[in-house]
Amino acid sequence: EIVLTQSPGTLSLSPGERATLSCRASQSIASAYLAWYQQKPGQAPRLLIYGASSRASGIPDRFRGSGFGTDFTLTISRLEPEDFAVYYCQQYGYSPRTFGQGTKVEIK
Amino acid sequence: EVQLVESGGGLVQPGGSLRLSCGVSGFTFSNFWMSWVRQAPGKGLEWVANINEDGSERYYVDSVKGRFSISRDNAKNSVDLQIDSLRAEDTAVYYCAREFRGYNWGQGTLVTVSS
Repeated sequence: EIVLTQSPGTLSLSPGERATLSCRASQSIASAYLAWYQQKPGQAPRLLIYGASSRASGIPDRFRGSGFGTDFTLTISRLEPEDFAVYYCQQYGYSPRTFGQGTKVEIK
Repeated sequence: EVQLVESGGGLVQPGGSLRLSCGVSGFTFSNFWMSWVRQAPGKGLEWVANINEDGSERYYVDSVKGRFSISRDNAKNSVDLQIDSLRAEDTAVYYCAREFRGYNWGQGTLVTVSS
């Protein structure tokens, strides 16, 4: 099983600041199979990034995914009020599929 | 538009069973792997099971092997999750998802296991 470790657990930032979220895999993942999701309270997760760096339909360009191998990053260039949420990475290329434990981006 | 709608959740006693169902529309169902993912109250996402396009391959997280069974009916555009021998720790929102360049998600159905 591929273990995904996200850091930090919580990120306290102000609107307009840059957020950098990390996802580290216990073994190398083909980049084509790494995704990022945003989840707000009471809502289903929303796909942001697939294939490590491709934005899903309708996702603003302030969201950027990067990385390869075992280290992946989600960057939000300038936080908008609606971006404060929990973010999960996931690998979907190997069974069992696995998720990271999440990073909460909160308002400072 | 891709749509996934889960149903079948509810309150069940420990040791009981439930059958969750997910109906889909907006895409050719038989061309995609499908997954179930759950989220316990206040916790993160946990992948539970998936099934390939024709139902010949099924995979499960270790914690549900032998108790959960995923199946699909391509004629009815639906994927089910049979959950047996329910435990308190199975209490969660259960999401259905299409696997394609990441996951497309339904809104979830709540399963509560309590006496």
